[in-house]
Amino acid sequence: GAVVSQHPSRVICKSGTSVKIECRSLDFQATTMFWYRQFPKQSLMLMATSNEGSKATYEQGVEKDKFLINHASLTLSTLTVTSAHPEDSSFYICSARNLAGAGETQYFGPGTRLLVL
Amino acid sequence: AQSVTQLGSHVSVSEGALVLLRCNYSSSVPPYLFWYVQYPNQGLQLLLKYTTGATLVKGINGFEAEFKKSETSFHLTKPSAHMSDAAEYFCAVRGSGGSNYKLTFGKGTLLTVNP
Repeated sequence: GAVVSQHPSRVICKSGTSVKIECRSLDFQATTMFWYRQFPKQSLMLMATSNEGSKATYEQGVEKDKFLINHASLTLSTLTVTSAHPEDSSFYICSARNLAGAGETQYFGPGTRLLVL
Repeated sequence: AQSVTQLGSHVSVSEGALVLLRCNYSSSVPPYLFWYVQYPNQGLQLLLKYTTGATLVKGINGFEAEFKKSETSFHLTKPSAHMSDAAEYFCAVRGSGGSNYKLTFGKGTLLTVNP
């Protein structure tokens, strides 16, 4: 149980294009999903908290117009990197909080490797 | 506010030896504490967590951790390292209660296991 998937797992795009990453909770409902960014050999940096049916809450320093988040259902959140540039290349990881139970645990997706040329 | 310090960015042990990964935290409220493991190019997998109750928690793959409030620590141990334990380990904290579910991560400790 508590499986989170991400799609795609890897994506290469040209500078200036937009890329959408999907995060799905496969066997549970998640009112809250989180998007992280991880640079090589570094820890995870929280970008934003995504709540189903409402606007995402972005961390300080994260451009909300560049990283668009949509949480349209209890099992799906999407992150769109708009007008991507090489500095946006990174490993993006989502996590989901299980609505059932105490909900104190976040379950992580396998990550999406983005390379912007 | 919470913070996590993982002492030692790299720990190397021999196969069969004790594994000890250190984590100290600070939190203005009673904490929930987590250890996650990350294999190369993968997401994070929950090893174990402490919320309330017993301070010694057991997780998957033979790992365990003990919450010591007086020392603000949550060190991760395993009696005998296996080659498959080689990975990056992250300690994380969040405040208990309320509606703030954000995790604060440490910088990670890379565990290498030598044959």
